[in-house]
This record gives sequence, structure tokens and C-alpha cells, in this order.
Amino acid sequence: AQSVTQLGSHVSVSEGALVLLRCNYSSSVPPYLFWYVQYPNQGLQLLLKYTTGATLVKGINGFEAEFKKSETSFHLTKPSAHMSDAAEYFCAVTYNTNAGKSTFGDGTTLTVKP
Amino acid sequence: NAGVTQTPKFQVLKTGQSMTLQCAQDMNHEYMSWYRQDPGMGLRLIHYSVGAGITDQGEVPNGYNVSRSTTEDFPLRLLSAAPSQTSVYFCASSLTWVGNSPLHFGNGTRLTVT
Repeated sequence: AQSVTQLGSHVSVSEGALVLLRCNYSSSVPPYLFWYVQYPNQGLQLLLKYTTGATLVKGINGFEAEFKKSETSFHLTKPSAHMSDAAEYFCAVTYNTNAGKSTFGDGTTLTVKP
Repeated sequence: NAGVTQTPKFQVLKTGQSMTLQCAQDMNHEYMSWYRQDPGMGLRLIHYSVGAGITDQGEVPNGYNVSRSTTEDFPLRLLSAAPSQTSVYFCASSLTWVGNSPLHFGNGTRLTVT
């Protein structure tokens, strides 16, 4: 069965510092990978996705992620954190073989300190 | 476009009561799904639909029913509410059921069962 592991349920960084949120997946078939962001009392919004092609994917708000097949990872990064980045972030995986059902990680709450 | 609209935003039920959570999308999306979000557990799939008239169970379907009579609507029915169903419920849709299609989320329904 597919699964997604997000290392670290809480990450705290200072404003201007590098943001690194980790995501690993288990899969025996090629995955589609997504990062979503959830602000308080809202639904999830798509940050970026990897489907095929270039392994470095750029998303909204300056975030990017790199698909590393050999490490089964899809870590999310941003060079310089902003206060507005404080939110919960979810990594998700889907496959063509399972009718598009997404499996989500448990989420990582990002805190940005002034 | 309103996107994905969920009603109500908040609901309190007594154990044993039934209710329907409404979900509508105006994007002509083929795929719709219901997730529940519990602290530290990410999002878990309850039911999903790959088109009008077609539904299937997700990871945690017990105690819930769905139907999809139109492309736009995908209501979730709680048959006999239990405290374990206290959660935040999200409806999500995507253009197709193909795995590379990202999900669009509603703003959620926060349900408390006493």
C-alpha cells in the first residue's frame, strides 16, 4: 500500500531562514507527488506538483521541491521564510493505478519567528 | 467560479442523530471525494466518486454514505452520529480521476458529536 511520511510534525524557523520540509513516500510504481498548504480555518491549496519531466518543481509563493526517485523523497524548500508562510503543509501521493485516490502525510506545522 | 462549496461550516450533533454534509462544485470536475481531518493524522479518504452515478469506499467509510446523482453535487450522509465522528470534513474535487490531477478543496465542515 502507498504511504507518505513527513518527518517532523512541527518545524520552526526564523524569518529569512531556509525552510526545509521533508516528505518520503513508499511506492513500487511511479508516483504523482503534491504539496498542499493549509492556513487556519481554511481548506488545502495546491503549492506545487510533480507529474513527469523535470524533477525540480517550482510552485507558488517561492516554494520548490525536488523529486528524487533514488531516495523516494519530495522535500519542500524555500530559501527565505516569510511570516506569511506560517501554516500547515501536507505532502500527498497518487497513482494512475488507484483511481486517483490521494494519500496524505500527517502534515507539518511551520512556525516562522520574527 | 465559486470552486468547491461546503455547507454547513459548523455543526453540533447528539449521538445517534443523522445529518447530511453538502458539497457542490462548479468546475465541471469529474472526480469528487470526502476526507476527514483529525489532529496528527493528516487527511483520510472516506468516499470518492469518479463520475455521476459512480461511488466507492475510501480508507474510513464506516458510518458514512454518499451518492452522486449529478456532476456538481456529492453529499456525505452520517447515518447515526458517534463521538468518534467528531472531525473536520473536507470535500475535494479534481478535473479527472487520473492521478496527476490536483485536488481543489472546500473550506471544510467542523462537526462535533456529543
